[in-house]
Amino acid sequence: GAVVSQHPSRVICKSGTSVKIECRSLDFQATTMFWYRQFPKQSLMLMATSNEGSKATYEQGVEKDKFLINHASLTLSTLTVTSAHPEDSSFYICSAQTSTRKETQYFGPGTRLLVL
Amino acid sequence: AQKVTQAQTEISVVEKEDVTLDCVYETRDTTYYLFWYKQPPSGELVFLIRRNSFDEQNEISGRYSWNFQKSTSSFNFTITASQVVDSAVYFCALVTPFSNQGGKLIFGQGTELSVKP
Repeated sequence: GAVVSQHPSRVICKSGTSVKIECRSLDFQATTMFWYRQFPKQSLMLMATSNEGSKATYEQGVEKDKFLINHASLTLSTLTVTSAHPEDSSFYICSAQTSTRKETQYFGPGTRLLVL
Repeated sequence: AQKVTQAQTEISVVEKEDVTLDCVYETRDTTYYLFWYKQPPSGELVFLIRRNSFDEQNEISGRYSWNFQKSTSSFNFTITASQVVDSAVYFCALVTPFSNQGGKLIFGQGTELSVKP
């Protein structure tokens, strides 16, 4: 149980285009989802926390107009990187959490984004 | 403020050696959870263990063991008789679910373990 999927697993796009990444909880309801970014040789950096049906809360320094997060259902959250640039190339990881177990996050397999 | 420190950036060992990865945490909350994750080259985080602040018992799982010491705020991870497949980046993490941080995970910087044949 507690499986989280991400799609796509890998994406290459041209500079200036937008990319959408989906995060799904397959066998449980995720009231909260987290989005992380990880650059090579670095730790995971939390970008934002999204609760189902409400606006995402962004961490300091993360541009909310560039990284659009939608959490419209209890099993799906999306991250859209708008007008992507090469510096947005990174590994994006989502995680999901239930309302009753706030000590646990279930991680997706990650999405590698390369912006040319 | 909560913080997790993994002072060892990289460790290199030869197969069959034992290796200990250090993790030191900071929090003022009395209720917290500590985690270890493995991140192989594929990138997917693999959950290894969760320990709550009220359970200081050490744990052993096969070649893996964990030493939780509240007195020194440490949660160290030992791999016995390391194998090449253990090569990965290992992250220690902390969550304080009842604080204003809610369910946010605080990650350490990670330790890259390289096990050579």
